[in-house]
This record gives sequence, structure tokens and C-alpha cells, in this order.
Amino acid sequence: KQEVTQIPAALSVPEGENLVLNCSFTDSAIYNLQWFRQDPGKGLTSLLLIQSSQREQTSGRLNASLDKSSGRSTLYIAASQPGDSATYLCADTTSHNTDKLIFGTGTRLQVFP
Amino acid sequence: DTGVSQDPRHKITKRGQNVTFRCDPISEHNRLYWYRQTLGQGPEFLTYFQNEAQLEKSRLLSDRFSAERPKGSFSTLEIQRTEQGDSAMYLCASSFAGTNYGYTFGSGTRLTVV
Repeated sequence: KQEVTQIPAALSVPEGENLVLNCSFTDSAIYNLQWFRQDPGKGLTSLLLIQSSQREQTSGRLNASLDKSSGRSTLYIAASQPGDSATYLCADTTSHNTDKLIFGTGTRLQVFP
Repeated sequence: DTGVSQDPRHKITKRGQNVTFRCDPISEHNRLYWYRQTLGQGPEFLTYFQNEAQLEKSRLLSDRFSAERPKGSFSTLEIQRTEQGDSAMYLCASSFAGTNYGYTFGSGTRLTVV
């Protein structure tokens, strides 16, 4: 059974700092891995999707990497801003047939001015 | 098309009542998913449809839960005889099978059972 773990559970950093969020998964036979952002009481916004054949994806100040052999993905946020404060969730899918996502419990990020 | 829409945004109900939620996916998407999220946890898969066919249901989906997607467009999730443990955010998402575009989630329906 696939399990997804995220560390740290919470992170508080000053504005401008570069930071790394970690995601690990137990089954390396993933189809793809996605990172989402969730603001309090809201739905999920997709940030980056990495296919199993890819090593990383970049969007603006965000960079996500994938290492299937070690069962890890990282989300790198450069020059953090207070507006980045949210919960970040990683999720993978192990089946092309269903695209069913298995989520981690998230990292709650606070960026203070 | 402005994305995935869910209605209502919030629902407070008394224990034992039935509730129904609606999800309108992105029109071109043929897959529709329901997830449940409790406080401090990641979303958990409940069920999914491809067009009008319900292809998979989680063990979390007890017999009090039923989901439909009658014409392969919008979907409804009904919970009968609600219990306090049903209190959660119910999230709907859609995607197009066979693409690499990933999911689009709705804003969710927050259910509180009192």
C-alpha cells in the first residue's frame, strides 16, 4: 500500500529565505507526482506535476524534483514571501488507469515579514 | 468555463439528516473524483467516475454514502443518516484521462454535523 509522508509538518521562516519541503513515498512505481497548495478552508491549487520519466519541474520561484529510486520529492521555494504562507501537499498516483491520488499530510508554511 | 464548482460551500446539519453535495467539473474533463479531508490531514480518495461510470470506490465510502454522475457531467454525493464523524471538507476534482495535465480541484464543501 502506497504511503506518502511529508516533513516537516510545519515550518516558519522569515521573508526572503529559500526553503525546501520534503515528500517521501513507499512505492517507487509511481505514475506521476504533484505538489499542491491549500489556503485555510479552501480547495487545492495544483503547483507542479512531475511525470515518472522526469527529474524536475520549474514554475517561477518553485522547483520540484523527483527521485524515484529513493522514493523522494522535494519542493524548493526561492525567495519566500508572506503570500507563500499556506499548506503544501504532495500526492502521487501509482496507476495510469485511475489517476487516484495518495496524499501526504502536508507541510504548513508560514512566512513572516 | 471557470473551473470546478462545488455547491454548497458550507453545510451544517443535524445528526441523522441526509445531505447532498453537487460538483460541476470542467466541461472537457471525463474523469471526476471525490475526496474527503479532515482537519490536519491530506485528502483521502472516496470514489471516481469516468464519464457516467463509477469505476472505483474506497472502503471509506460506507453504505450511507452514494455518488452519481448521471449524464457524465455534474456529480452528486449524498450522505444518509449523517454522523458527527462525517464532518469534513468534501473535495471534488476533475481531469481528462490520457493527458498529463493533472487535476483541477474545486473549493470544496465544508460539512459540519452537529
